[in-house]
Amino acid sequence: GAVVSQHPSWVICKSGTSVKIECRSLDFQATTMFWYRQFPKQSLMLMATSNEGSKATYEQGVEKDKFLINHASLTLSTLTVTSAHPEDSSFYICSARAGESNQPQHFGDGTRLSIL
Amino acid sequence: QKEVEQNSGPLSVPEGAIASLNCTYSDRGSQSFFWYRQYSGKSPELIMSIYSNGDKEDGRFTAQLNKASQYVSLLIRDSQPSDSATYLCAVTKRNQGGKLIFGQGTELSVKP
Repeated sequence: GAVVSQHPSWVICKSGTSVKIECRSLDFQATTMFWYRQFPKQSLMLMATSNEGSKATYEQGVEKDKFLINHASLTLSTLTVTSAHPEDSSFYICSARAGESNQPQHFGDGTRLSIL
Repeated sequence: QKEVEQNSGPLSVPEGAIASLNCTYSDRGSQSFFWYRQYSGKSPELIMSIYSNGDKEDGRFTAQLNKASQYVSLLIRDSQPSDSATYLCAVTKRNQGGKLIFGQGTELSVKP
């Protein structure tokens, strides 16, 4: 149980392109989803928290106009990196949580984004 | 002082031994405690969750929580080379919407 699917796994695109990443909870309803970014050899960095039907809450320093998050249903959240540049290249990982805030987060497989 | 601290390692143990991973946290109000395993280039995978003092066992894994000492540990019995990964300790704090506060991770290497 508690399977989170993230798509696509890899994206390579040109600078200036917008990229959409999907995160789906396959066997549970995710009241809350989270988006992280991880650079090589570094810790996970939380970018934003999203609750179904509400605007996402972004962490300090994360540009909300750059990283658009939509959580339209209890099983789907999307992250769109707008006008991506090489410095946006990273490993993006979503997680989903069912129920109360003390429940564990379950992570998707991540999306490796490379901007040329 | 970091909110969640782990020894970064690497921790090296021989195959079949017990690996002991430790984590301390600074906020006494922390309410949930998790261990995640992250293989190189992959996303984290939940290993254990623990909420109350004492031990919790799941197969070869045992999590131990001591809230008075603000300490949580993970024991891996009969360690296998496939256990070689980075182990992340994570806690949640009250009134923070369940955000995970991660330690820096401990790299475990199990030698055949």
